[in-house]
Amino acid sequence: SQQGEEDPQALSIQEGENATMNCSYKTSINNLQWYRQNSGRGLVHLILIRSNEREKHSGRLRVTLDTSKKSSSLLITASRAADTASYFCATDPGSYKIIFGKGTRLHILP
Amino acid sequence: DTAVSQTPKYLVTQMGNDKSIKCEQNLGHDTMYWYKQDSKKFLKIMFSYNNKELIINETVPNRFSPKSPDKAHLNLHINSLELGDSAVYFCASGGGVTPEAFFGQGTRLTVV
Repeated sequence: SQQGEEDPQALSIQEGENATMNCSYKTSINNLQWYRQNSGRGLVHLILIRSNEREKHSGRLRVTLDTSKKSSSLLITASRAADTASYFCATDPGSYKIIFGKGTRLHILP
Repeated sequence: DTAVSQTPKYLVTQMGNDKSIKCEQNLGHDTMYWYKQDSKKFLKIMFSYNNKELIINETVPNRFSPKSPDKAHLNLHINSLELGDSAVYFCASGGGVTPEAFFGQGTRLTVV
């Protein structure tokens, strides 16, 4: 069963701008995670936010979590060409599975 | 040292054949997963194992049989391959104090 849904499906922005991606999910979670996938590669974990946290930062990444709305957002500030990738949110409901959304394809324009 | 390694990276085979994909992790994780990513990049969990025991089987056809000989290995055997099995298969590990998943580089399976 699909848990997370990212929005938008695709996003193109100019280098240097900020990119915001949203994720909605359906059931209760232990934590929510964001991953990046470069073309033809495996997924790389970016950041994890626990269900009792509201905001978390890591470098140019900022993640928020609103458990009442079952939603999360990922903000990438001062985007770079190397940020071009697909970004997935993933929920951990605590039953030995991590469920991924459909992803947002981010394209940074030079 | 590759944390999660899977072989082969590419696999092209004919319909009806049987094939295996191997996965090994050297991270000491208790949990291992198999995911299938289709052409639309939709990533779907297939199986999860914890300490060699099957935990999750997400309505995967029984032509797919995972095998975990030990905590560090989770192999995927596929019988009677069909065209619809063409996809990229990812192995991952995680669990315990590291709830995030670490992925292998993927195996692109093409059934012709």
